[in-house]
Parts: sequence; structure tokens; C-alpha cells
Amino acid sequence: DVKVTQSSRYLVKRTGEKVFLECVQDMDHENMFWYRQDPGLGLRLIYFSYDVKMKEKGDIPEGYSVSREKKERFSLILESASTNQTSMYLCASSLPRGSYNEQFFGPGTRLTVL
Amino acid sequence: KQEVTQIPAALSVPEGENLVLNCSFTDSAIYNLQWFRQDPGKGLTSLLLIQSSQREQTSGRLNASLDKSSGRSTLYIAASQPGDSATYLCAVRSGNTGKLIFGQGTTLQVKP
Repeated sequence: DVKVTQSSRYLVKRTGEKVFLECVQDMDHENMFWYRQDPGLGLRLIYFSYDVKMKEKGDIPEGYSVSREKKERFSLILESASTNQTSMYLCASSLPRGSYNEQFFGPGTRLTVL
Repeated sequence: KQEVTQIPAALSVPEGENLVLNCSFTDSAIYNLQWFRQDPGKGLTSLLLIQSSQREQTSGRLNASLDKSSGRSTLYIAASQPGDSATYLCAVRSGNTGKLIFGQGTTLQVKP
């Protein structure tokens, strides 16, 4: 079974802090994604990566950055956390584009910024 | 711009009933469509993936159909059980990047 893990289930940070959310997948997937999920807004793509050191902006990249130094690990960085970044963050992975690329999700990180 | 809609937003049925969840999308040029289940406070569990060339996929009591020309997909759940209570999301992959566009979901409650 594909396994996608996220470093924390719940996280509480203060405004202005630098926050790191980590995601690891064990299926050698090329593609990795970061989404946030908010009531009434659904899931929105923040960033994605289709190879090591490659990244592309999603629909709402402002206030976020990402890092992919190893194939299995994709990190989401909040450079200076703000209250409007309080949300559920979901990581996903899949096989490369152009192939049978079912997306598999991690359990999510509920981030609260005070 | 691709948009995905799921109606109804919420559904309550008695245990044992067969039910259909609906998903519609505005641009028929899709690579595939994926159905997910999400329990409260949890991540998404992939249920079924239908490639653009396929008409349906089945897994146990679940059957998903795809009609690209009309921009519609349905998820059929047979003999519903209280354990099926969750939010069901559909998502389409339109471009070659693997990016998914999600609907808002249908929250299903199956009453014992």
C-alpha cells in the first residue's frame, strides 16, 4: 500500500513564526503536492513538484514556499505565519504526469496560527 | 477554467438504501476523474480512479461512472451502511501536470 505521512497531525504556532510542514511518501512517486482545505473553499493547490528540486506554483502560493531535496520528501514552508494560514494542510503524491497517476493523500496537518 | 460541482452538498439516507452521488465538470477534456472519501478531521482516501477512456470502475459496493461528453460522473453506493457516513469528493485531472480540481464534496449520513 502507498503510504504518505505528514510530520504532525496538529500544530499550533504564533504569528510571525517560520513553520515547516513535512511530507514523506514511500512509493517512489515523482509527483508531490501540497493542498490546503478550508470550509466553504474546498481543497486548493498551493505548490506541486514533479521531480527533485523542481517546483511549480499552484493556485494559492502566496505566503508559502516549498523544498524538495529528496524524491520521497516534500516540505511546505510558511516563512512568516499569519492567522489567515490557519487551515488543514494535506500532502499527496502520484506517479508521473502522462501515466496512471492516482493521487494518494496523507492524514493531514491541522495548523492553528495564533 | 475547469470547475467541478457536486450536488447535493449533504445527503441523509436510511441504512440499506442504494444511493447515487453526482459530480459535474465544465470542461470535458479531462485525463481522469478520481473519487475520494474523507472522514472528519482526516485525510482523503482514494476510492476509484476512472481514466478518460473508461466508462466505469467498480470496487466492492462502489461503482463510479464517467460520461465525458456530458461532463458528469456518478458514484453509486449499494446497500449503504452507517460506516459509509463521510464526505465524498470528486476531482478531475485536466492538464498534463497531474493537478486535480476538486468539487466541494457531498456529506453523506447513513442512519441505522
